[in-house]
Amino acid sequence: SQTIHQWPATLVQPVGSPLSLECTVEGTSNPNLYWYRQAAGRGLQLLFYSVGIGQISSEVPQNLSASRPQDRQFILSSKKLLLSDSGFYLCAWSVQLGQETQYFGPGTRLLVL
Amino acid sequence: GEDVEQSLFLSVREGDSSVINCTYTDSSSTYLYWYKQEPGAGLQLLTYIFSNMDMKQDQRLTVLLNKKDKHLSLRIADTQTGDSAIYFCAERNQAGTALIFGKGTTLSVSS
Repeated sequence: SQTIHQWPATLVQPVGSPLSLECTVEGTSNPNLYWYRQAAGRGLQLLFYSVGIGQISSEVPQNLSASRPQDRQFILSSKKLLLSDSGFYLCAWSVQLGQETQYFGPGTRLLVL
Repeated sequence: GEDVEQSLFLSVREGDSSVINCTYTDSSSTYLYWYKQEPGAGLQLLTYIFSNMDMKQDQRLTVLLNKKDKHLSLRIADTQTGDSAIYFCAERNQAGTALIFGKGTTLSVSS
């Protein structure tokens, strides 16, 4: 069966510090991968998606970047965090791009102070 | 642009039915989804409906789709305290690259 992992679960970082959040998927090959952010009181916003190794599409301009160094690994990064980067970050995968079922990881709660 | 709207809160008593409503904008959406998020957790797919269907039933869950009004609803029969969570409605974006989510409806179930 397929599983998706995210770590860390919770992170508190000062403004201006770097960020690296990791997402890995097990039990499937060549998944499509997604990073979403859920800010307090708001819905989910798609940040990035990837259809393959090294292929990243950005949905919104922002202070964050994503990378996919391996088939089942998706990393969300920032060189300098802003207060507005605080939120709940969710990684998801699907079999085909935009396919009806996206499976979500447990999320990483990021607080920037 | 694409947008999904939901009411933010719903409070029901245990054993009652809950109905969570959603409106969407993209009439070309082929799939519409309901996800559940328990406190501090990721999203769990509850159910989805194809745009050529009017209704889908899955145990205690009933999804109704009104394509003319672009209205989607989720009915939970015999609501339990374990159903307390945030429920998200979502549609596929026009590019087919990802899902557009509503802001979520917080369902509170009291005993």
